Amino acid sequence: GAVVSQHPSWVICKSGTSVKIECRSLDFQATTMFWYRQFPKQSLMLMATSNEGSKATYEQGVEKDKFLINHASLTLSTLTVTSAHPEDSSFYICSGRNGRAGRHEQYFGPGTRLTVT
Amino acid sequence: DAKTTQPTSMDCAEGRAANLPCNHSTISGNEYVYWYRQIHSQGPQYIIHGLKNNETNEMASLIITEDRKSSTLILPHATLRDTAVYYCIVRVLSGSARQLTFGSGTQLTVLP
Repeated sequence: GAVVSQHPSWVICKSGTSVKIECRSLDFQATTMFWYRQFPKQSLMLMATSNEGSKATYEQGVEKDKFLINHASLTLSTLTVTSAHPEDSSFYICSGRNGRAGRHEQYFGPGTRLTVT
Repeated sequence: DAKTTQPTSMDCAEGRAANLPCNHSTISGNEYVYWYRQIHSQGPQYIIHGLKNNETNEMASLIITEDRKSSTLILPHATLRDTAVYYCIVRVLSGSARQLTFGSGTQLTVLP
């Protein structure tokens, strides 16, 4: 299967600072990237969907000015958590899909655990 | 996308087959059944998907009932590394960028 990487795998930051998480598709072109968030003992919740070169579409309740998503290339998407607060502490997972090839599987990254102190 | 119902948890003895059920009684004719799993603190992993025929790959088999209102994921010889949360997801297959919507899943624990 296709490989998606995330960096960093975990990060601790102070309240009020910003954190950038990178998501890369290593062996396929991700025309669409999805960002999910997962709190302890809960399921994955979709935050936003982004198509390469376009603005991201955010799910209801997700602040677009707080969670900045950039999908500038077919292999890289970034999620920046701005002015992080302890309640933003979570497991953030990205996923890529190559729609051009007619493929429909989503391939997930290993996740990034964010802790805001 | 149609809603799915799965048991919260299941146990299985190592080496035995694990049969994970999923109900999707409101599934539409153009919706596929997908299975993913998530091992603790990792990203979800694709397992298998199907429309109406039974499917098999190197990881598992997917059995879909004739009326398509339910399905079963079968891990033929479960190992301890198969302990994970298994998600059954129903979704339309199309060229649009439809995302996967995750429910609560089934926590499968493989016992030694």
